[in-house]
Amino acid sequence: QVQLVESGPGLVEPSQTLSLTCTVSNASINRGPYYWSWIRQHPGKGLEWLGYIYASGNAYYNPSLRGRLSLSVDTSKNQFSLKVTSVTAADTAIYFCARAGDTQIWSWGQGNLVTVSS
Amino acid sequence: QSALTQPASVSGSPGQSITISCAGSSSDIGTYNYVSLYQQHPDKAPKLILYEVTNRPSGISPRFSGSKSGNTASLTISGLQAEDEADYYCSSYTYNDGMVFGGGTKLTVL
Repeated sequence: QVQLVESGPGLVEPSQTLSLTCTVSNASINRGPYYWSWIRQHPGKGLEWLGYIYASGNAYYNPSLRGRLSLSVDTSKNQFSLKVTSVTAADTAIYFCARAGDTQIWSWGQGNLVTVSS
Repeated sequence: QSALTQPASVSGSPGQSITISCAGSSSDIGTYNYVSLYQQHPDKAPKLILYEVTNRPSGISPRFSGSKSGNTASLTISGLQAEDEADYYCSSYTYNDGMVFGGGTKLTVL
């Protein structure tokens, strides 16, 4: 069964860049058709889709956050990554990485809480 | 504000059935049969329960079922069990905005 594990700092200062990596086990990022995705959940709130990236490197972003998001993939390490620039307190959330199909999310990581604070 | 509208909470007794509505628009649910339902227990990651309105992933109980009419999807849990108590989120594919979620529904099993 595929496993996804997020890693990255739990605390980021305002105006800095949030960076997270998702390591995939028991499945190859190169084998599709899957979209490697990021979703976040503000504390006590609902889910927000951020974007996804295909093994080829083609990425699709939530239009409301486009310009601040960047996704990348490293197939040699079986990892994909998220960067969010110019963070504010509103970016404090649990960030999940996931393996998705065209229209649904099949598998989720356990989540990584990122707090934006000085 | 979420793109899809769900009731904040629903409740039912063990053995009963409950339905969670998920209201969208002609840009999402009304056009595409790509509605999914996720179950999230406290401090856990969400779990896919239904996809493409009516399909269940392997291992998901047939007590979970879905339907759609117009811009609204309905997700039914029959034969409520204590373990069903959780938050439930619907989502839909949209052409322009990718994947959108509802605000979530807290299910309480009385």
